[in-house]
Amino acid sequence: SAVISQKPSRDICQRGTSLTIQCQVDSQVTMMFWYRQQPGQSLTLIATANQGSEATYESGFVIDKFPISRPNLTFSTLTVSNMSPEDSSIYLCSVVGSQSSYEQYFGPGTRLTVT
Amino acid sequence: QKEVEQDPGPLSVPEGAIVSLNCTYSNSAFQYFMWYRQYSRKGPELLMYTYSSGNKEDGRFTAQVDKSSKYISLFIRDSQPSDSATYLCAMSKTGANSKLTFGKGITLSVRP
Repeated sequence: SAVISQKPSRDICQRGTSLTIQCQVDSQVTMMFWYRQQPGQSLTLIATANQGSEATYESGFVIDKFPISRPNLTFSTLTVSNMSPEDSSIYLCSVVGSQSSYEQYFGPGTRLTVT
Repeated sequence: QKEVEQDPGPLSVPEGAIVSLNCTYSNSAFQYFMWYRQYSRKGPELLMYTYSSGNKEDGRFTAQVDKSSKYISLFIRDSQPSDSATYLCAMSKTGANSKLTFGKGITLSVRP
């Protein structure tokens, strides 16, 4: 499986500011996703990061709040904009395995606290 | 009704016990079923992956899918303290561009 790293691993931010989270994969992958894991809630898909085109957002998530970049097949960023305490969560990127399009592998996550 | 429901837990068992973790789902379009294990402050790790109905065994772990009942299970035999983690079920539909729908997860603690 691919090795996935995320930066930062954690951060504490002031409300109204923005944070950009980086996801780096050690091999080229076609599909990359961003998820949110709120306390006591299911892992929820935010968007699919598409290489060379705009991300595809799930219902309830918008580009203005969660802009995503995917400049190449090994890297993506997720920005959490104009943060509020409700954005406190773990943010995870994932990639699809090469063996099956239904096997996903996750990064270690970024733990965000908004005060 | 949520698409995927998972027993809320937490669950605490003695070492060596057989553990049964379960999820139910409402959407019959789900065809791919996964179990992820997540240790504290780590990302989810793919544990088992099953297509359609049936059983799949990997060491001490068995994944079972009953599509007629819309019910999936993960059994852990001879549980170890190192199995203490949060277990999440996840599902995907055919042709869904790999989108996963997750249960909330259940935290398992195996007591030495």
